[in-house]
Amino acid sequence: GQNIDQPTEMTATEGAIVQINCTYQTSGFNGLFWYQQHAGEAPTFLSYNVLDGLEEKGRFSSFLSRSKGYSYLLLKELQMKDSASYLCACLDSNYQLIWGAGTKLIIKP
Amino acid sequence: DAGVTQSPTHLIKTRGQQVTLRCSPISGHKSVSWYQQVLGQGPQFIFQYYEKEERGRGNFPDRFSARQFPNYSSELNVNALLLGDSALYLCASSFGAINEKLFFGSGTQLSVL
Repeated sequence: GQNIDQPTEMTATEGAIVQINCTYQTSGFNGLFWYQQHAGEAPTFLSYNVLDGLEEKGRFSSFLSRSKGYSYLLLKELQMKDSASYLCACLDSNYQLIWGAGTKLIIKP
Repeated sequence: DAGVTQSPTHLIKTRGQQVTLRCSPISGHKSVSWYQQVLGQGPQFIFQYYEKEERGRGNFPDRFSARQFPNYSSELNVNALLLGDSALYLCASSFGAINEKLFFGSGTQLSVL
């Protein structure tokens, strides 16, 4: 079966760094996405990885290891506005997105 | 440029009724996908349409149907509503068929009583 696992909830302090992990098992793999979703709002695109390695984009970075079925999203210099759910999603062999349940990130002052 | 627009934003129905949700993609985008999201969970794929053809269907019953119009807008229909259909219904558009970066609408919050 297809499965994406990520922690349900994480707490971090404003100004700190947090790493949100995602492991996946899918029928085929054509890339991994991270989306941010604030409560009551639609998901917004953060990153896309299809090759192994680290992609950096400002305060956010995303890492992928295809051999390990593993990705992480790294958030630096945390701000209160980063409080949101972070969704990991994989493109399967049919180019359909399989979504994790999301990680709710709580930022404390 | 307008983003993905969905209507209505909120909807209350009773069991057994039928509902139609509407979505207009970003101008130039030819693919529309529908997702159901229950509170605290990730989106669940319902349908994808590309160039007015169904390109993918998730594990949802036949009560769920959709279509895409020549202007690439789309409708999602749900018949014989059940309490469990209460959820946020998200529409997402992309330029191509392979679900590269998706742009989501704000969703329709459906409550079935």
